Parts: sequence; C-alpha cells; structure tokens
Amino acid sequence: DGGITQSPKYLFRKEGQNVTLSCEQNLNHDAMYWYRQDPGQGLRLIYYSQIVNDFQKGDIAEGYSVSREKKESFPLTVTSAQKNPTAFYLCASSIVDFNTEAFFGQGTRLTVV
Amino acid sequence: AQTVTQSQPEMSVQEAETVTLSCTYDTSESNYYLFWYKQPPSRQMILVIRQEAYKQQNATENRFSVNFQKAAKSFSLKISDSQLGDTAMYFCAFMNLDDKIIFGKGTRLHILP
Repeated sequence: DGGITQSPKYLFRKEGQNVTLSCEQNLNHDAMYWYRQDPGQGLRLIYYSQIVNDFQKGDIAEGYSVSREKKESFPLTVTSAQKNPTAFYLCASSIVDFNTEAFFGQGTRLTVV
Repeated sequence: AQTVTQSQPEMSVQEAETVTLSCTYDTSESNYYLFWYKQPPSRQMILVIRQEAYKQQNATENRFSVNFQKAAKSFSLKISDSQLGDTAMYFCAFMNLDDKIIFGKGTRLHILP
C-alpha cells in the first residue's frame, strides 16, 4: 500500500542530544513537509522540499535541520539548539503540480527530558 | 507572508445540527488552493474538502460544503447533519504557488449526543 511512514511513533531523548525523525513515502510525491504541532498552535511549518537536494525554511526552522538526498525520504533532525523540542511532529507529502492536497504520516511524539 | 486565521478555538453542537467553522486568510497572490483537514483523536490528518481559488463555485463533499468568498479572503466550512464521528480538530490550510502549505490554529469541534 502507498503511504507515508513516520518512525518511531514515540521517541524519548535526553536534553542536549540531537535526534533524527524519519519520514519515508512511496507515493512518488515530489514535495515533502515537516510540521510541528503544539496545543493551541495548530500546525507550524518547519521545512519543506519541492525536489531532491533542495529545501526551504518554514516559519519555525531554527533549531532544526533536514536533508533530501532521495525523493522518498525527508529526515528531520532536532538539534540541541531547539529550545522546546517536546512536541508532536507530522510529515507530509504532495504532488508538485499545484493541484493536490498533502498526505500525512501518523506523526512522531518527541519527548525530551 | 501568508497567514491563516481560525477565530473559533472550540465549538459544540448537538448531533444532526448544522455547524459552520470560520477561516480567513491573508495573501497577495491571486491563485492558490484552500483546504479543510480533520484531525480525530487518532491524530491522523484527513482531507475534508479543497477549493481552487480561481473557481467561483463552492466545493461540496457529501455533508461538507464551503463558502468561499475570495474578495473577503474567507473560507468557511459547513457541516450538515452533524454526526458523532465528526468530533475532531478541524484545520484550515492555504497552499501557494510554491507549494508552501500554511495551517491555521484549528477549531476543536464537539458533536454532542
């Protein structure tokens, strides 16, 4: 079945450690996105990528980094510079033809202690 | 920069009633897409309906319809004959020509039996 897979579902890290969240899609979509969801804040865009080896900062990119070496994969690294990393993270993908919606993974809940 | 505003943080209606969720957005672009997403307690994001800005006709999907007012930059969602399964967070979203997707903060909708 085609879809977007985020792993793991729950992730725990100690403060000061970098952590990488995985996002893989087999929908052959060009664009991929990372969002952060906090209570009362909706979904805030961290990074997005329209094509391999290229990506753009979203509204809250500070403390995060991404790579897009393969079309299917868009991993997100939460660095120690991110002041409040505990959140629910959603990955999405879409076709780059300005004609379709984004499809979402099931999310990763990151807790930093 | 584009922004999306949902002015109703939380709403409650009785089962079988009709409810309207509000959304306004700000953009200088003339062509774009608008979406409503539903996020049930499972936290899986589900597309409810989408609207192309250059289409004057309001989109409809079964019990869900929108009132798109381009000049007013308003995009409200109407749910008719509401059902218990409609209980969820609802997010309004805007997609621009660069495939950037911005979300509002959401409206938590409770359908009461």
